[in-house]
Amino acid sequence: DVKVTQSSRYLVKRTGEKVFLECVQDMDHENMFWYRQDPGLGLRLIYFSYDVKMKEKGDIPEGYSVSREKKERFSLILESASTNQTSMYLCASSFRDRLYEQYFGPGTRLTVT
Amino acid sequence: QKEVEQNSGPLSVPEGAIASLNCTYSDRGSQSFFWYRQYSGKSPELIMSIYSNGDKEDGRFTAQLNKASQYVSLLIRDSQPSDSATYLCAVRASGTYKYIFGTGTRLKVLA
Repeated sequence: DVKVTQSSRYLVKRTGEKVFLECVQDMDHENMFWYRQDPGLGLRLIYFSYDVKMKEKGDIPEGYSVSREKKERFSLILESASTNQTSMYLCASSFRDRLYEQYFGPGTRLTVT
Repeated sequence: QKEVEQNSGPLSVPEGAIASLNCTYSDRGSQSFFWYRQYSGKSPELIMSIYSNGDKEDGRFTAQLNKASQYVSLLIRDSQPSDSATYLCAVRASGTYKYIFGTGTRLKVLA
């Protein structure tokens, strides 16, 4: 079974803090993704990585950065958290040639106060 | 702005009935279409993909695609209470690697 894990299920941070969300997959997937999910807005892509150290901006990259130093690990960084970044963050991964068959992690519900 | 539209529901059906979930999309060049199921408090899981016009069946699930009408649907036969979840439609935006997700339809199967 594909397993995608995320470092925290729930996280509470203060405005202005630097926040790290980590995602690890154990299926040797080349592609990894970060999404956020908000009521009424659905899932929106923040960043995508197709290889180690490679990344592409998604639809809403502002206020976020990412890091992929190892194939199995993809980190999302909020440089200075703001209240409008309160959301559910979902990591996903897929094989290079099966880009659209994405497997999601359990999600991290981040609250910024 | 490329869009994927779904009725948010809830769609309530009795146990054993056919549940019909619908999705329309605006990007006429889209070629790949997906259905994800998301239980409350859980992450989405891929249940169906469809790339060609017509029907694709997998167990109790049937995906239907009509590119001319820009319409994709998911039928669930013999609905069970365990099918109660939010169903997300996702469409690959033409010319990119990106999915565009709909906001989902909440299905309730009544025992």
